[in-house]
Amino acid sequence: GEEVAQTPKHLVRGEGQKAKLYCAPIKGHSYVFWYQQVLKNEFKFLISFQNENVFDETGMPKERFSAKCLPNSPCSLEIQATKLEDSAVYFCASSQRTSDEQFFGPGTRLTVL
Amino acid sequence: KQEVTQIPAALSVPEGENLVLNCSFTDSAIYNLQWFRQDPGKGLTSLLLIQSSQREQTSGRLNASLDKSSGRSTLYIAASQPGDSATYLCAPPAPPGNTGKLIFGQGTTLQVKP
Repeated sequence: GEEVAQTPKHLVRGEGQKAKLYCAPIKGHSYVFWYQQVLKNEFKFLISFQNENVFDETGMPKERFSAKCLPNSPCSLEIQATKLEDSAVYFCASSQRTSDEQFFGPGTRLTVL
Repeated sequence: KQEVTQIPAALSVPEGENLVLNCSFTDSAIYNLQWFRQDPGKGLTSLLLIQSSQREQTSGRLNASLDKSSGRSTLYIAASQPGDSATYLCAPPAPPGNTGKLIFGQGTTLQVKP
């Protein structure tokens, strides 16, 4: 597609439940990035992929968070056993190369109750 | 570790004014810098990508400059309009290496009054 698509738009989970977020990058883009926006303007890089391979996972929490980009499927970010502090907007972005412009999706707002 | 500061944090101006938004970053070993706009409750819209080899990049009423040696970038908005009201975010990458990992400033929230 011409835009980065993210689903769902909103996700509500009880503490301890699993959350799974999806991202379809722009067609032809090799790189996918996940960012977490907590509070108003605090963005945190989580993980990036080059096609289906993990490229940089320096921002991923060691526990409970995992991500995948499989061929012919949307990329996914999964949080096992969600905690209150996981409440945030999760953005996916894609680019052709790491030095190129990153285009962001509309985000998934996760609320953990 | 890359740290990004944006000044001012908030700005309210009457329509028609020319504006300068400032961004400073601590690690100048960057290959580009991207400026974004975020409307309330929405995603990020890319405004400009300025490569390290460029000093300026223009798109319509927007002009971004980059001075790597001093660790600064500015976003100039000419003839501001109410539709420009949004939060503007500066995002250089995190050295070392060309990984694409962006580090965001806290943003400048702009309100343009009609």
